[in-house]
Amino acid sequence: GAVVSQHPSRVICKSGTSVKIECRSLDFQATTMFWYRQFPKQSLMLMATSNEGSKATYEQGVEKDKFLINHASLTLSTLTVTSAHPEDSSFYICSARPSRDRDEQYFGPGTRLTVT
Amino acid sequence: QQQVKQSPQSLIVQKGGISIINCAYENTAFDYFPWYQQFPGKGPALLIAIRPDVSEKKEGRFTISFNKSAKQFSLHIMDSQPGDSATYFCAAIPPREYGNKLVFGAGTILRVKS
Repeated sequence: GAVVSQHPSRVICKSGTSVKIECRSLDFQATTMFWYRQFPKQSLMLMATSNEGSKATYEQGVEKDKFLINHASLTLSTLTVTSAHPEDSSFYICSARPSRDRDEQYFGPGTRLTVT
Repeated sequence: QQQVKQSPQSLIVQKGGISIINCAYENTAFDYFPWYQQFPGKGPALLIAIRPDVSEKKEGRFTISFNKSAKQFSLHIMDSQPGDSATYFCAAIPPREYGNKLVFGAGTILRVKS
């Protein structure tokens, strides 16, 4: 149980274009989903928290207009990187929390974004 | 206050040995302490977690030891296997009224030599 999927697993896009990453909880409903970014050999950096049906809360220093997050349903959250630039290349990982009464977070497999 | 300090950065253990990774925290409001295992190119997987009212939790070859007074907790991997070679992250979560967001340690790269 507690499986989280991400799509795509890898994406290459050209500078200036936008790319959308999907995060789905497959066997549970997620009241809260989180988006992280991870650079090589580093820890995970929280970008934003999204609650179903409400606006995402962004961490300090994360541009909300660049990283658009939508949590349209209890099983789906999307991250859109708008006007991507090479410095946006990174490993993006989502996680999902089954309910507000539980602390566990389950992570997706990650999406490798390369901007050329 | 929100940091979790993890050591060592990297660790090499012989097959069959015990791997020990340590973490320390400052914020006494943290009340949930998970460990995650991450293989290259994959997302972190929840390994085991503990709450501060328990001093030890064991699941298979993985044991968390928790010292509330010292504000430290550690992961012990018994009978370490080459398949355990991965990056391990400790983490902590404060209660919901304080944000309820995971605070990660810097990670430990474990290599188990066969």
